[in-house]
Amino acid sequence: QKEVEQNSGPLSVPEGAIASLNCTYSDRGSQSFFWYRQYSGKSPELIMSIYSNGDKEDGRFTAQLNKASQYVSLLIRDSQPSDSATYLCAVNIGSGAGSYQLTFGKGTKLSVIP
Amino acid sequence: NAGVTQTPKFQVLKTGQSMTLQCAQDMNHNSMYWYRQDPGMGLRLIYYSASEGTTDKGEVPNGYNVSRLNKREFSLRLESAAPSQTSVYFCASSEQAWRNLNTEAFFGQGTRLTVV
Repeated sequence: QKEVEQNSGPLSVPEGAIASLNCTYSDRGSQSFFWYRQYSGKSPELIMSIYSNGDKEDGRFTAQLNKASQYVSLLIRDSQPSDSATYLCAVNIGSGAGSYQLTFGKGTKLSVIP
Repeated sequence: NAGVTQTPKFQVLKTGQSMTLQCAQDMNHNSMYWYRQDPGMGLRLIYYSASEGTTDKGEVPNGYNVSRLNKREFSLRLESAAPSQTSVYFCASSEQAWRNLNTEAFFGQGTRLTVV
């Protein structure tokens, strides 16, 4: 069973702090990695994608990927109450045509305290 | 630009009834997916269509069938609904399914299905 693991939380951080969300995956052949944000009762919304080892920054969000350790993380700087949501890590475990599956972790619930 | 549109948004079925969930995307994406989301279980892939004319089983296909009607539309059918199929169903699409790039999936607004 190919898995994506996340700490379910809840993770509570004060407003203005850095929130750090972590994800590990089991398939060493994985190529594509994504972070989604999901507000209660809403659909998942893509916030970051990362394909290469290292850091990728987009505004207050930084995704970090370490394929050797099979680890991907999301940092949210200057956290705002509006960032309070469940964050889903997703990994493409496909390795060729016809073998695609985007596997999701169960999500980490983040609460930003004003 | 509507993105991914699902119908209906809510549905209540009786055990044994059948229904089809509709999904359409206007982003000219090649690949489409059906997920279900249950509390504590996360998002689980039911079926996917890597490209028009192809469909494949995901993690939890039992009790479901799919049809990729054309490039835009991908439907999910429950032939004989069971209470275990009570869930929130999401359709998603991506430009392509299996290369290193452009595999970002975009989701519809979901269908809340209750089977009594």
